[in-house]
Amino acid sequence: RKEVEQDPGPFNVPEGATVAFNCTYSNSASQSFFWYRQDCRKEPKLLMSVYSSGNEDGRFTAQLNRASQYISLLIRDSKLSDSATYLCVVSVSGNTPLVFGKGTRLSVIA
Amino acid sequence: ETGVTQSPTHLIKTRGQQVTLRCSSQSGHNTVSWYQQALGQGPQFIFQYYREEENGRGNFPPRFSGLQFPNYSSELNVNALELDDSALYLCASSYGTGWGMDTQYFGPGTRLTVL
Repeated sequence: RKEVEQDPGPFNVPEGATVAFNCTYSNSASQSFFWYRQDCRKEPKLLMSVYSSGNEDGRFTAQLNRASQYISLLIRDSKLSDSATYLCVVSVSGNTPLVFGKGTRLSVIA
Repeated sequence: ETGVTQSPTHLIKTRGQQVTLRCSSQSGHNTVSWYQQALGQGPQFIFQYYREEENGRGNFPPRFSGLQFPNYSSELNVNALELDDSALYLCASSYGTGWGMDTQYFGPGTRLTVL
């Protein structure tokens, strides 16, 4: 089983739609969780950290379910500029690196 | 922009050659992590340097090696290049050990093609 697994995608949605991405992780000791966004042929950029109580940043909402080892990202009112690959990222506190999922590609269509 | 720079932006090499990639970390950051991102995959951790010493390594063979300099910039060296080494190589800088507790800021990457 891969350490971090994401919906394969691609997701093609119209502008204004709500879209949800899911991610599962295998290491129950994981302590830090993130969503990164990566535009085509560019570097990953931190979109948001994911906290146990869930957190929201404008149109973006992240949720964490430690019991199910599941992370989600909800994007409301999709914009054309949201088109990108969304990477689920996990790490265990201590001497461990960031572990990335393969990413899910989102295309928002006018 | 993150302030993390990498050079060169693109590189083409042939099998068996050696390559050196460079990374300048963001001002104030003392940790550099290197990742390999193959096409269609997420980045995979290669190794990390903290205060000029290797501070952890992923599942990569010894022909992948690195250095960190007193100004915290870093190099990634790959010997005996193989076709599968073709990828985007990303460096990320952070303050502290960066083990998920400090935000890592990525550079634009170096795209390596091995023919």
